[in-house]
Amino acid sequence: DAKTTQPNSMESNEEEPVHLPCNHSTISGTDYIHWYRQLPSQGPEYVIHGLTSNVNNRMASLAIAEDRKSSTLILHRATLRDAAVYYCILITGNQFYFGTGTSLTVIP
Amino acid sequence: GAVVSQHPSRVICKSGTSVKIECRSLDFQATTMFWYRQFPKKSLMLMATSNEGSKATYEQGVEKDKFLINHASLTLSTLTVTSAHPEDSSFYICSASLALNTEAFFGQGTRLTVV
Repeated sequence: DAKTTQPNSMESNEEEPVHLPCNHSTISGTDYIHWYRQLPSQGPEYVIHGLTSNVNNRMASLAIAEDRKSSTLILHRATLRDAAVYYCILITGNQFYFGTGTSLTVIP
Repeated sequence: GAVVSQHPSRVICKSGTSVKIECRSLDFQATTMFWYRQFPKKSLMLMATSNEGSKATYEQGVEKDKFLINHASLTLSTLTVTSAHPEDSSFYICSASLALNTEAFFGQGTRLTVV
């Protein structure tokens, strides 16, 4: 069962930063925080993941609250290609239980 | 990076027939693969865990006799939708990972339409 809550939708202007929030108040010590995004009619694509420390990669940054009960995916400069549904998922092992995700609209 | 490939990408079948969907890990071995289904405008729902060399583990509410899973090799898992009905029409997606708690690689999905 999904253990995360995200806003249903968000909008961002092109080339501006986007902060996508995720609440996971029942997170356990062994749960990893993963983010994936999905374009229409495609399989999900990995974005980033972390356990306790903030993480950066070429796609995004992941900021994890000190108590780990929430996290934020940061897209530093949104482009039109970033328009997708973003899923925040907690996993232990390899099974993914997807929540409803956040549909991100990027406005030109 | 690692790639997971599904085939076919879309299929239309007649009601009552069976359809097989393949999921391959192209450049790594996957002892475990996962199958999901997704209805329009909805999130992905985990259907089952496919285990190489042993029986699949199905999520609650998923009929194992209807959705047959075979994982005969470390690079191939198949999902067969038996006696398909229009309500089985959906987007089916598989995934695999290199190791526990690491990045998951998803197939491109298979759009099944039962007419």
